[in-house]
Amino acid sequence: KQEVTQIPAALSVPEGENLVLNCSFTDSAIYNLQWFRQDPGKGLTSLLLIQSSQREQTSGRLNASLDKSSGRSTLYIAASQPGDSATYLCAVRSPSASWGKLQFGAGTQVVVTP
Amino acid sequence: AAGVIQSPRHLIKEKRETATLKCYPIPRHDTVYWYQQGPGQDPQFLISFYEKMQSDKGSIPDRFSAQQFSDYHSELNMSSLELGDSALYFCASSLSGGLSETQYFGPGTRLLVL
Repeated sequence: KQEVTQIPAALSVPEGENLVLNCSFTDSAIYNLQWFRQDPGKGLTSLLLIQSSQREQTSGRLNASLDKSSGRSTLYIAASQPGDSATYLCAVRSPSASWGKLQFGAGTQVVVTP
Repeated sequence: AAGVIQSPRHLIKEKRETATLKCYPIPRHDTVYWYQQGPGQDPQFLISFYEKMQSDKGSIPDRFSAQQFSDYHSELNMSSLELGDSALYFCASSLSGGLSETQYFGPGTRLLVL
């Protein structure tokens, strides 16, 4: 059974520092992994999708890496800004789960202080 | 760019009442997914539809039913509401339902059961 874990649960950094967010999964046989941002009480904004055949994806200040063999993905946010404050969730799609299902981690709550 | 539309955005119901949530996918997307996010929890997959047919089922209570219509919009019907049904309900859509496709999430419907 696939389990997705995000550590730490919360993170606070001063503005300008790089953010490193971790996501681990127990079953390496995944189709893809998606990173989301969620503001309090709001919807999920898709940030990056990494296919199982890829090792990284980049979008602006965001870079996500994927190491299937070790069951890990890392989201890097360069030069953090107060507007980056949000909860970041990773989710995997894998054959061990039902077809359409994204399995989410519990998220990392990020606060970027000015 | 057009996004996933959900209505209503907020809903307040009494116990044992019924509720209907609507989801309008991104144009040309033929696959719809429903997720439930309880307070402080990560989203849990409920059900999905591809080309108007149910494609997958997660932890959806028997009191809930859903369908996808000819214009690809979807409705989640919830009956005999319980206090524990209070949550944020997300709809997501993707193109073709392929395993490599990104799921785009709507803003959610916040349901409060009193």
